[in-house]
Amino acid sequence: SAVISQKPSRDICQRGTSLTIQCQVDSQVTMMFWYRQQPGQSLTLIATANQGSEATYESGFVIDKFPISRPNLTFSTLTVSNMSPEDSSIYLCSVVPGDRGYEQYFGPGTRLTVT
Amino acid sequence: AQKVTQAQTEISVVEKEDVTLDCVYETRDTTYYLFWYKQPPSGELVFLIRRNSFDEQNEISGRYSWNFQKSTSSFNFTITASQVVDSAVYFCALSEGYGQNFVFGPGTRLSVLP
Repeated sequence: SAVISQKPSRDICQRGTSLTIQCQVDSQVTMMFWYRQQPGQSLTLIATANQGSEATYESGFVIDKFPISRPNLTFSTLTVSNMSPEDSSIYLCSVVPGDRGYEQYFGPGTRLTVT
Repeated sequence: AQKVTQAQTEISVVEKEDVTLDCVYETRDTTYYLFWYKQPPSGELVFLIRRNSFDEQNEISGRYSWNFQKSTSSFNFTITASQVVDSAVYFCALSEGYGQNFVFGPGTRLSVLP
């Protein structure tokens, strides 16, 4: 499995501001995903971020609100823009290691509270 | 479209009891992959198991066991002799291909009481 870290681990932000979340992996991975987990809910995929191509967003998520960067095979960022209290969630990145293509491994998550 | 159902929203058991978490899935693909993840109060998702659609053998790992039945589209998870540390939310998930995005079930919150 891959070792994944996320920064920050948690943050409290004011409405209208933006937060960039970083995801770092200890090995090169092609496939990386960003999920949102609202309080008490399951995981919802925001977008797929493959290196060398534009992120692919799921229905209900748009690039202006959740811009994603994937500059190399070990790193990605997700920005939550113009935040509102409804954006309060845990944001998780996940990867599919090249040798275990059927399994996703998750980072520890970023707990975001918007006031 | 794929779908994963976990009918049990919350389960409470007393330590040392056995408990089974249910998972029912829907997919049109003949090849697919099923997973269980554990999310303890710390929030991190922990991978527990992957099962391929073409492998219906049940699996046991310590106190954990999984029962995969294609005939009923179910992939149930049993914890034997539960412990307080098993308290967590457990998610069942389905993927239809290599690295393809996962569909997660709604999760089952398990509370193991001392």
